[in-house]
Amino acid sequence: GENVEQHPSTLSVQEGDSAVIKCTYSDSASNYFPWYKQELGKGPQLIIDIRSNVGEKKDQRIAVTLNKTAKHFSLHITETQPEDSAVYFCAAKFSTGTASKLTFGTGTRLQVTL
Amino acid sequence: GAVVSQHPSRVICKSGTSVKIECRSLDFQATTMFWYRQFPKQSLMLMATSNEGSKATYEQGVEKDKFLINHASLTLSTLTVTSAHPEDSSFYICSAGGGGFDTEAFFGQGTRLTVV
Repeated sequence: GENVEQHPSTLSVQEGDSAVIKCTYSDSASNYFPWYKQELGKGPQLIIDIRSNVGEKKDQRIAVTLNKTAKHFSLHITETQPEDSAVYFCAAKFSTGTASKLTFGTGTRLQVTL
Repeated sequence: GAVVSQHPSRVICKSGTSVKIECRSLDFQATTMFWYRQFPKQSLMLMATSNEGSKATYEQGVEKDKFLINHASLTLSTLTVTSAHPEDSSFYICSAGGGGFDTEAFFGQGTRLTVV
């Protein structure tokens, strides 16, 4: 089955700096890679996703890059703000529709300090 | 994105009792719903996958007789924790997919279960 590794487990950055979180996956058949933000006591919120037919996707301060050859994908947050502080999870799956299962990384606790 | 509502957000129950958690897709028809369990400072662990009108598929190690899942309609799935014990205390989260969303999964707010 799929295995997703995520690094770092914790990340502290100063407000305004950039944050990068990296994930690797094992199943070359995986073709959908979402990123979720989870605040304390809440469910995960989808913040950006990328499919295997593109290498990069950007949405305002958030971007995701995908290297299919190396089976790596990364989340980039620029101009970080205190409200970006949360736990971020990457995930991967081979999409055969909505019934296919996501495999999650272990999470990164991002702390944005003033 | 789509909206998934989970209820209750918090519940405390006594050992030996059963607790039902509801997961509703508010603005789309969810053909598939997933139930996860999350321990403090850990990732999400998939418990089971449910498809509307059929039996749930449980992950290895998850007791299907203890965690009863029903997906009777395209907008509602329920998870019942039967004969709850303190070790069942956890954060339970559902997600839903379908309704034209080919790959995205939208999560509910989660339910904090405490068994005393």
